Amino acid sequence: AQRVTQPEKLLSVFKGAPVELKCNYSYSGSPELFWYVQYSRQRLQLLLRHISRESIKGFTADLNKGETSFHLKKPFAQEEDSAMYYCALHSGGGADGLTFGKGTHLIIQP
Amino acid sequence: DTGVSQNPRHKITKRGQNVTFRCDPISEHNRLYWYRQTLGQGPEFLTYFQNEAQLEKSRLLSDRFSAERPKGSFSTLEIQRTEQGDSAMYLCASSLVAGAGELFFGEGSRLTVL
Repeated sequence: AQRVTQPEKLLSVFKGAPVELKCNYSYSGSPELFWYVQYSRQRLQLLLRHISRESIKGFTADLNKGETSFHLKKPFAQEEDSAMYYCALHSGGGADGLTFGKGTHLIIQP
Repeated sequence: DTGVSQNPRHKITKRGQNVTFRCDPISEHNRLYWYRQTLGQGPEFLTYFQNEAQLEKSRLLSDRFSAERPKGSFSTLEIQRTEQGDSAMYLCASSLVAGAGELFFGEGSRLTVL
């Protein structure tokens, strides 16, 4: 069975500080990993996907198959980054939908 | 196109009643998903359609839950004989087949069972 673990329910950092939201997964095949974000009073939306290997809003995430991790990082946090962040796994070619972690609430303090 | 639309946004019902939620996906998307989200949890996959075919329904929570997408456009999720444990946010999402991991979510339908 596939599983996504986000160990931090809440992460609070000061503006300008680096941010790292942790995500570990369990899956026997080759997964596709995603980060979704939900800003206050907005719908859940895709932030980035590992196969794109791009930086979105200053965030990057690298898939580490050895450590089965997909941590989300940003070097300098901004107040508008405050949101709920969900890591998600897709089995890639499988029929199921995404498997989400429980989410991390990121708060950027001024 | 304003994105995925869900209604009603809020539904309060008494235990034992039936409820139905509707989802209108982005028009060119042929995949449609239903998720449930409870407090403090991430979205939990329930079922999905490709066009009108329901390709996965084993993750529906019980036989009280059913979903349809009769013409491959909008979808409905019905919960029969609601229980207090059904109280949750029900999310709909759609995607193109090619971007199956890139889901576009609606704002959700919040169910409260009294």
